[in-house]
Amino acid sequence: QSALTQPASVSGSPGQSITISCTGTSSDVGGYNYVSWYQQHPGKAPKLMIYDVSNRPSGVSNRFSGSKSGNTASLTISGLQADDEADYYCSSFTSSNTLKVFGTGTKVTVL
Amino acid sequence: QVQLQESGPGLVKPSQTLSLTCTVSGGSISSDDYYWSWIRQPPGKGLEWIGYIHHSGTTYYNPSLKSRVTTSVDTSKNQVSLNLSSVTAADTAVYYCARRLFGGHHMDVWGKGTTVTVSS
Repeated sequence: QSALTQPASVSGSPGQSITISCTGTSSDVGGYNYVSWYQQHPGKAPKLMIYDVSNRPSGVSNRFSGSKSGNTASLTISGLQADDEADYYCSSFTSSNTLKVFGTGTKVTVL
Repeated sequence: QVQLQESGPGLVKPSQTLSLTCTVSGGSISSDDYYWSWIRQPPGKGLEWIGYIHHSGTTYYNPSLKSRVTTSVDTSKNQVSLNLSSVTAADTAVYYCARRLFGGHHMDVWGKGTTVTVSS
């Protein structure tokens, strides 16, 4: 089971919106609504930002939103802020015997 | 609220067994509602799922590690343990434990992680 494919980096200016893609297959992203997104600041543990494609946990800003089309899921950050600068990982359930797969990770830079 | 804390040796010799513990506070590890997960992250690299364990003893492991991984639950200590045998330098990583909802596939609470280096 290969990792889900994410762009290595995405950047934007404060206040702008950016979108991070996460591409898998029909065995994972495309086949199930079990895509989640994690934010990781340097030296810190990952933090759950989105689960089940588009649901936000309590306490996560509504500037973060998720969606899916076919085999590609997306995380959109609107009103970009300095603290959004971090690594972001998608993840999905997979019907392969691996069961769970993470994305390659995307570094978000706030210009 | 629930907190998770990983602990264990920071240095392990090649071919030996890596042993880590995750202590859960603010909640019961015996809850039917959760699986307890192990995830690792090699230096400068992405996240890799290791496995899940439920207090009932049900386990799921990443096939790439399955032959070397064992996990267990100690309900009296509210702890989950990870053993990874025959380690090599490729097992050097930050190891995280995390909570996964029984009916879901996301990890909603994470420990801070513990760094393990494999070196002689």
